[in-house]
Amino acid sequence: DTEVTQTPKHLVMGMTNKKSLKCEQHMGHRAMYWYKQKAKKPPELMFVYSYEKLSINESVPSRFSPECPNSSLLNLHLHALQPEDSALYLCASSYNYLDTQYFGPGTRLTVL
Amino acid sequence: GIQVEQSPPDLILQEGANSTLRCNFSDSVNNLQWFHQNPWGQLINLFYIPSGTKQNGRLSATTVATERYSLLYISSSQTTDSGVYFCAVEAGAQKLVFGQGTRLTINP
Repeated sequence: DTEVTQTPKHLVMGMTNKKSLKCEQHMGHRAMYWYKQKAKKPPELMFVYSYEKLSINESVPSRFSPECPNSSLLNLHLHALQPEDSALYLCASSYNYLDTQYFGPGTRLTVL
Repeated sequence: GIQVEQSPPDLILQEGANSTLRCNFSDSVNNLQWFHQNPWGQLINLFYIPSGTKQNGRLSATTVATERYSLLYISSSQTTDSGVYFCAVEAGAQKLVFGQGTRLTINP
C-alpha cells in the first residue's frame, strides 16, 4: 500500500464552526506533514510530525491545531477560521523526515 | 533563506514533443525533489535527486549540485503529462522549499 488518504475531499465551513481534516498512511512512514496550498501557488509547510512528535510548527495561527494520535494518523483541527484560510490542504508522509514525500489527494476547504 | 527559481513558468507543447524544465537554487542543498501536480491537485513525487542523474521511463532528471541547478526532461510528451511541475529543495532549514512551478500543457 503506497497511498496516503485524506478525508473529506471537500469541506465548506462557516467562521464559527469546528471541523477536522484527517490523513492516514499505512506505509510505516515515521514522518507526516501538513501543507497549505493557495490557488496557483506552491505548497507551504505548516506542521511536521516525526515519530508522532511535533517537530516543526511554521508559525501557523492557533486556529489550526494538529494532532498525531498514532504513527498512521494525522489530524488537523480547525476552529474560527477566516475566509483567507480557504485553500487546498495537503497531507504527506515519508519514511524518515525529508525522505521522498508521498502526498494525499488533499482537502479543498472553503471558509464562508 | 534559499531561493528557488523555476523556468519557464509556462510551457505549451504538442503531444510527442520533448521538454526540459529547469530549477535554479541559491545555496548548496542537501535534498532536492521533483513533483508533478495533476489538474485535480494530486502531487506525485517524480524524483529524489540531490545530485546526479536518474531516469524513470520517459522522465529523467539531472542535478548539478556544484552549479546549483537541476533539470527535468520529459520525452515523447503525453496529454497526461499536463499539470504543474515543482522543484523543492532543503538547504539546512530542515524543510522543503518549493519553487513557483512550471505549468505544462500538452495539446493532443
